Amino acid sequence: AQSVAQPEDQVNVAEGNPLTVKCTYSVSGNPYLFWYVQYPNRGLQFLLKYITGDNLVKGSYGFEAEFNKSQTSFHLKKPSALVSDSALYFCAVRDMSRGYGQNFVFGPGTRLSVLP
Amino acid sequence: NAGVTQTPKFQVLKTGQSMTLQCAQDMNHNSMYWYRQDPGMGLRLIYYSASEGTTDKGEVPNGYNVSRLNKREFSLRLESAAPSQTSVYFCASSEVAGGSSYNEQFFGPGTRLTVL
Repeated sequence: AQSVAQPEDQVNVAEGNPLTVKCTYSVSGNPYLFWYVQYPNRGLQFLLKYITGDNLVKGSYGFEAEFNKSQTSFHLKKPSALVSDSALYFCAVRDMSRGYGQNFVFGPGTRLSVLP
Repeated sequence: NAGVTQTPKFQVLKTGQSMTLQCAQDMNHNSMYWYRQDPGMGLRLIYYSASEGTTDKGEVPNGYNVSRLNKREFSLRLESAAPSQTSVYFCASSEVAGGSSYNEQFFGPGTRLTVL
């Protein structure tokens, strides 16, 4: 069964410093990986995805993620954090076990706090 | 485009009451989904509809029913609400083309439901 782990409930980083939000996955077959962000009282917003190709994926708002097949990881990164990046971040993998349809398995989320 | 809209935004029910959560999307997407979000558990899929006229159970379908009214609308019904159904409910949609598309999902703003 597909699963996603986000080992850190909370990540704190100072504004201007680089940030990393970690994600590891377990899938059968090829992994299709996604990152979403949720701001308070809002729905999830798509940041980026890895389907195939270059292991470094660039997305919205200056975020990028590095796919590492040997470590089964897909960590989210940003070179210089902003206070406005403070939010809840979800890693997700497409659930291939259900066949047709875009079903996803989501991680539990990591709360990022960027301190001024 | 409004994207994905949900009504109501907030609702308080007593145990045993019923209600329907409404969702509509104006992006002409084929697939629609209902998730619930609980602290520390990420998002869990309740039901999904791969295309108009079809619905299927997700990870946590018990106590819920759905209707894919047309391509735009996908409703979630609680027939007899229980305190365990206190949660935030999100509707999402995505485009699926040919069964092999890996597009992101677009989320509505959520419905915060409390069952007393």
